[in-house]
Amino acid sequence: GENVEQHPSTLSVQEGDSAVIKCTYSDSASNYFPWYKQELGKGPQLIIDIRSNVGEKKDQRIAVTLNKTAKHFSLHITETQPEDSAVYFCAASSNSGYALNFGKGTSLLVTP
Amino acid sequence: NAGVTQTPKFQVLKTGQSMTLQCAQDMNHEYMSWYRQDPGMGLRLIHYSVGAGITDQGEVPNGYNVSRSTTEDFPLRLLSAAPSQTSVYFCASRRGGGTNIQYFGAGTRLSVL
Repeated sequence: GENVEQHPSTLSVQEGDSAVIKCTYSDSASNYFPWYKQELGKGPQLIIDIRSNVGEKKDQRIAVTLNKTAKHFSLHITETQPEDSAVYFCAASSNSGYALNFGKGTSLLVTP
Repeated sequence: NAGVTQTPKFQVLKTGQSMTLQCAQDMNHEYMSWYRQDPGMGLRLIHYSVGAGITDQGEVPNGYNVSRSTTEDFPLRLLSAAPSQTSVYFCASRRGGGTNIQYFGAGTRLSVL
């Protein structure tokens, strides 16, 4: 089955700096890669996703890049703010996938 | 918009007790799934369903039962709770097909003493 690895497990940045979280996947059939943000006491919420026919996608301060050859994808947050502090999860799925396969999460702390 | 609704939000059980975690979605999604979240382990799939009457096991199914009698509801049953089942449980739903957005409920925090 699909194995998704996520690094780092914790990340601390100063407000205004950029944050990068990286994930690798094992199943070459995977073609959908979402990123979720989970705030304390809440369920995960989708912040951005990318499909394998696209190499990069951007939404304001958040961007995701995908390298299908190397089987890795990354989340980039620019101009970080304290409210970006949360746990971020990457995931992977395929057309025939029944549920998402998640990485173990990255705890991001943005200090003022 | 209700989305995915989970009840209860919190529950404390004694070892050996049984209970059902409820999950309902109002988006007419075919796919529904249950995850458990433990510190350092991420989200692990317990059971999933691709439609009414169809369920299957995920990564960590032992100790849990599910059924899907309607499109809207996907309850998770703990037949005899164990301390190892102390966790936060999330229900999720998505339209059929692996490339569609998956929506999560707010979670149920379960403690088994």
